[in-house]
Amino acid sequence: EAQVTQNPRYLITVTGKKLTVTCSQNMNHEYMSWYRQDPGLGLRQIYYSMNVEVTDKGDVPEGYKVSRKEKRNFPLILESPSPNQTSLYFCASSLWSGRYNEQFFGPGTRLTVL
Amino acid sequence: KNEVEQSPQNLTAQEGEFITINCSYSVGISALHWLQQHPGGGIVSLFMLSSGKKKHGRLIATINIQEKHSSLHITASHPRDSAVYICAVRSSTGNQFYFGTGTSLTVIP
Repeated sequence: EAQVTQNPRYLITVTGKKLTVTCSQNMNHEYMSWYRQDPGLGLRQIYYSMNVEVTDKGDVPEGYKVSRKEKRNFPLILESPSPNQTSLYFCASSLWSGRYNEQFFGPGTRLTVL
Repeated sequence: KNEVEQSPQNLTAQEGEFITINCSYSVGISALHWLQQHPGGGIVSLFMLSSGKKKHGRLIATINIQEKHSSLHITASHPRDSAVYICAVRSSTGNQFYFGTGTSLTVIP
């Protein structure tokens, strides 16, 4: 089954404790992206990747890191989480050529930073 | 800065009504997407448009590139259409996506 998976789905942590949210897709998509969703602000792009070893900042990259060592994986790293990073996070992937670039979203990760 | 604006923010309709959700954007785009988010939180892509009109079942999406405006129509609305509908655009100057804040639709039986 074609899908985007994220882990963990729920996470409660404390300020300053490094964490990683994993994202994996099995559709051989070039483009992968991380978003956060906050009430009243909607979805905002954190980082995206056009392909292996190619990453770029989105609208709200501060406090986050990403890497793209393999095509299927795009982990989101919070080196020193703070309470303002409490949010619902989505990973998404798509092809990046021609017209078939519908985005496929993961199920979301709800992060609470105390 | 709000690159994408949606209206209305909230919408309540009776079952069977025709529904329109509007999206305006201020940046150059290469594509516009309509997404659906159900109460459980999952997001699915409904349409991707770069011009004209697309139809899928009871859903119709249109885009006017000159006016920088898109509409999502739902014909014969049903309670299962209750969800948040989100407009998103892919910038033509880069590879970023910008999103509207969503329209929360409730269809009453």
